[in-house]
Amino acid sequence: AQSVTQLDSQVPVFEEAPVELRCNYSSSVSVYLFWYVQYPNQGLQLLLKYLSGSTLVKGINGFEAEFNKSQTSFHLRKPSVHISDTAEYFCAVRNAGNMLTFGGGTRLMVKP
Amino acid sequence: NAGVTQTPKFQVLKTGQSMTLQCAQDMNHEYMSWYRQDPGMGLRLIHYSVGAGITDQGEVPNGYNVSRSTTEDFPLRLLSAAPSQTSVYFCASSYLARRNTEAFFGQGTRLTVV
Repeated sequence: AQSVTQLDSQVPVFEEAPVELRCNYSSSVSVYLFWYVQYPNQGLQLLLKYLSGSTLVKGINGFEAEFNKSQTSFHLRKPSVHISDTAEYFCAVRNAGNMLTFGGGTRLMVKP
Repeated sequence: NAGVTQTPKFQVLKTGQSMTLQCAQDMNHEYMSWYRQDPGMGLRLIHYSVGAGITDQGEVPNGYNVSRSTTEDFPLRLLSAAPSQTSVYFCASSYLARRNTEAFFGQGTRLTVV
């Protein structure tokens, strides 16, 4: 069985500050890792994904994530956040059966 | 290109009523799934399908039924609504063979059971 833990349920940050949203996963097999973003009253949109190769993955809106196999982590980072980044962020793991397992979500609150 | 379309967007049910949440995709994806989203719990898989005529249970299937008669449609039925089924429901689809591709999500259905 696989599981995903997002260590922070809420992250408040001031505009233009850097941010890191943490994600740890457990799985006994190779996985594919994803970060999704959910803006208020909307569905989920893919931010970025790790499939293989380079451990640093760049996504949309200036976000990036680093896959660390030894620490089973896939933390999301942005060097300078904007008010429009206020949203809920979900880390997810996909296994061989196509099933996506989600973390509990992290609400990013960007303050002016 | 509509992607994944869910209807209705909002619904209020009384305890014991039944209803069907509709989901349709136009991307010819083999894999379709239903999730429920509850605060602090992320999204939990209810049911999924790997193709027409094939469905299986996810993590939280009790109280829900699905069927997949066509590639495009994957309705979710609530047999006898309970307050514990108050949630936001998302339908998602993706290619099956290429498991490294992303899942596409609908806009969600916000269901309240009173």
